[in-house]
Amino acid sequence: EILMTQSPVTLSVSPGERATLSCRASQSVGSRLAWYQQKPGQAPRLLIFGASTRATGIPARFSGSGSGTEFTLTISSLQSEDFAVYYCQQYNNWPPLTFGGGTKVEIK
Amino acid sequence: EVQLVESGGGLVQPGGSLRLSCAASGFTFSSFEMNWVRQAPGKGLEWISFISDFGTTIYYADSVKGRFTISRDNAKNSLFLQMNSLRVEDTAVYFCARVGGGPYTFDYWGQGTLVTVSS
Repeated sequence: EILMTQSPVTLSVSPGERATLSCRASQSVGSRLAWYQQKPGQAPRLLIFGASTRATGIPARFSGSGSGTEFTLTISSLQSEDFAVYYCQQYNNWPPLTFGGGTKVEIK
Repeated sequence: EVQLVESGGGLVQPGGSLRLSCAASGFTFSSFEMNWVRQAPGKGLEWISFISDFGTTIYYADSVKGRFTISRDNAKNSLFLQMNSLRVEDTAVYFCARVGGGPYTFDYWGQGTLVTVSS
């Protein structure tokens, strides 16, 4: 099973600032990495797949990068609606499909 | 508009059973692979089961293998999860999720249904 580790657990950022979230895989997943956003009481929303491809309707301020075992989600200028929990997910070697533990982006 | 609506959650005693349903609309259900993903209170996401478009390929997480059964009825645009021998640690919100976006990523999710296992 591929373990996904996200850091930091909590990220405090001011609106308008840049946020950088990290995700590390226990073994290479190539580019088969996705990012999701989840707000309280809601289902997750797909942001990024293929490590860097934005899903339909996702604003350009969200970008993903990386390959192999190290990945980054960058939110270029945080808007109020971006404060949420973010999860990475690998789909290179499964079952099981595995998620990271999440990074909570909170208002500083 | 794509919609996934789960139902069937509730309170059940340890060792009991429950059957979850997910009603799909707004897309050709039989063309898409589907999954169940759960989230324990205050915790992260855990994938638990996958079913291919016509149900010929099925996978489970080790945590539910032998206890849970995924199935689908393409004629009724419905996905199911039969949960037996429930444990306290199965307490979670259960989401159905459609495969889309990338391969084996989840582009649409239901709102979730809460399963509480407690005596």
